[in-house]
Amino acid sequence: DAGVTQSPTHLIKTRGQHVTLRCSPISGHKSVSWYQQVLGQGPQFIFQYYEKEERGRGNFPDRFSARQFPNYSSELNVNALLLGDSALYLCASTLGGLASAYGYTFGSGTRLTVV
Amino acid sequence: AQSVTQLGSHVSVSEGALVLLRCNYSSSVPPYLFWYVQYPNQGLQLLLKYTTGATLVKGINGFEAEFKKSETSFHLTKPSAHMSDAAEYFCAVSDSRGSGNTGKLIFGQGTTLQVKP
Repeated sequence: DAGVTQSPTHLIKTRGQHVTLRCSPISGHKSVSWYQQVLGQGPQFIFQYYEKEERGRGNFPDRFSARQFPNYSSELNVNALLLGDSALYLCASTLGGLASAYGYTFGSGTRLTVV
Repeated sequence: AQSVTQLGSHVSVSEGALVLLRCNYSSSVPPYLFWYVQYPNQGLQLLLKYTTGATLVKGINGFEAEFKKSETSFHLTKPSAHMSDAAEYFCAVSDSRGSGNTGKLIFGQGTTLQVKP
């Protein structure tokens, strides 16, 4: 079975631009979460979607948005990019609902560099 | 609010020695606890998790962790380190119980494990 897949793997953007990151969860997983991992730090929670509805949002500005599609894949959008948005963006999916005891399976991430 | 503290940002051991990575958590409700490993330029791989039941949890690659409620700890151990264990390790807690929870993971800052030959 395919794991969590993310695309693209790397990209470089200029300050002020917009970016869209994509994630396909493991088949059967209905919950997708997004995390930002700045170099040298632990991942920080951005969003969680379950059954196509936003169920949680971390402490990120409104420039960050996301959505989940009927096939449970997800997009993370970031507008007006800042240098500080440079990070590894991780997508995670889980079999369970909100209070998941199954653990989360992470993708390999998208490395975003803003110049 | 929940939080995780990993004691020691860098741990260095010799190959074959005991690995001990420390994690303390803060939670107002019974937590779900996780250890993840991250190799360079990769995502996170689940090593083990504690939800309910037995407090000694065994994971992949010979790792195990013990949930100690009285000490609010979830330390990760491995009896004998291998060179392939060199990586970044993250402890995480989930706010998976109680009303209004999202199930999000709250991570510690990570511990880099170096294994010397």
